[in-house]
Amino acid sequence: RKEVEQDPGPFNVPEGATVAFNCTYSNSASQSFFWYRQDCRKEPKLLMSVYSSGNEDGRFTAQLNRASQYISLLIRDSKLSDSATYLCVVRYISNFGNEKLTFGTGTRLTIIP
Amino acid sequence: EAQVTQNPRYLITVTGKKLTVTCSQNMNHEYMSWYRQDPGLGLRQIYYSMNVEVTDKGDVPEGYKVSRKEKRNFPLILESPSPNQTSLYFCASGLAGVTGELFFGEGSRLTVL
Repeated sequence: RKEVEQDPGPFNVPEGATVAFNCTYSNSASQSFFWYRQDCRKEPKLLMSVYSSGNEDGRFTAQLNRASQYISLLIRDSKLSDSATYLCVVRYISNFGNEKLTFGTGTRLTIIP
Repeated sequence: EAQVTQNPRYLITVTGKKLTVTCSQNMNHEYMSWYRQDPGLGLRQIYYSMNVEVTDKGDVPEGYKVSRKEKRNFPLILESPSPNQTSLYFCASGLAGVTGELFFGEGSRLTVL
């Protein structure tokens, strides 16, 4: 089983719609979770961190479910500029202080006019 | 301006010809890391460094070397490149153990013939 799994998509969604995708992780000791956004042929950039209580940033809502070991990203009122690949990232810090960030393969989202 | 700078951005080389991809960051980050990104496989970690003179293998270290003699620089060395190292390479830096936010360079597209 992969450490971090995402549905690769593509998700083709009409402008203005709501879209959600999940990401599952295998290491129950993972401490932190993030969503990154990667535009075509560009570097990944942090979209938002995912907190245990869930968090919202404008049209974006992230949720964490530790019991089922998944995180989710919800985008409301989608815009053409939301078209990108969304990467799920899981962070684990060992007892020795070594930090590991594991990236999912990404979910490709295209917003259609 | 806070940034991570990689060079070269594009390189075509031949099997066996040693090459170095440089990475420099100006944010005084302790943590630096190299990733390669291949279609369907996502971002895979090659090597990472928690601080000066502290480096460790990631998930796919074979065929690569790194060094961290100064805090700002983290070069990636391919001693004898092979065609299976054709990929898009990203360098990233961040504050170790504090946040999971990584700042990525713009990427280096390497082709080994």
